[in-house]
Amino acid sequence: AQSVTQLDSHVSVSEGTPVLLRCNYSSSYSPSLFWYVQHPNKGLQLLLKYTSAATLVKGINGFEAEFKKSETSFHLTKPSAHMSDAAEYFCVVSDKSGGYQKVTFGIGTKLQVIP
Amino acid sequence: EADIYQTPRYLVIGTGKKITLECSQTMGHDKMYWYQQDPGMELHLIHYSYGVNSTEKGDLSSESTVSRIRTEHFPLTLESARPSHTSQYLCASSNVGQGIYGEQYFGPGTRLTVT
Repeated sequence: AQSVTQLDSHVSVSEGTPVLLRCNYSSSYSPSLFWYVQHPNKGLQLLLKYTSAATLVKGINGFEAEFKKSETSFHLTKPSAHMSDAAEYFCVVSDKSGGYQKVTFGIGTKLQVIP
Repeated sequence: EADIYQTPRYLVIGTGKKITLECSQTMGHDKMYWYQQDPGMELHLIHYSYGVNSTEKGDLSSESTVSRIRTEHFPLTLESARPSHTSQYLCASSNVGQGIYGEQYFGPGTRLTVT
């Protein structure tokens, strides 16, 4: 079975402070994992992806995520939040369940950045 | 920048009307998807296609239908719109050649309101 749990529906940080958006997953196969960002009234944009290479993945806009198999986690971090980071973030797992590709989205985490 | 387009961006329509949401991509991707996203909620896959003349229903049951006559075009049709169809509809595409990694490129979405 495949599932994604984003542990926080809302996260609020001050500008310039670190960001941590948490994601746990379950997968019966070796999964690929993604983080997408969605700004208001926009489509989803890929931030970064893990595809069984390096466990620490760097993405766009200073974001990175670490794949921890033992903890089944793929948390998204950024050292210093910027006002433009305010958006909704989706964690996504993809694997070949039953022989075909299945993709599951988390419910999203809304990030608020306080000036 | 992904080349995937959706029209209209916003649509307000009365109950009972037939509507078609357009989605086109210029990347030559084989796989295309339609997601439904209610405000503050997760994305739900409602339709997908592996290529021309291939269409499948997704995880969430939907009264909409889709067609894939051309690689670049994946329209979604509601024969008789109802207020329960009010939602945001996101179209996405991915390249089969990317294997199971499933990186998807998203359009900007169509926000549908049925009155």
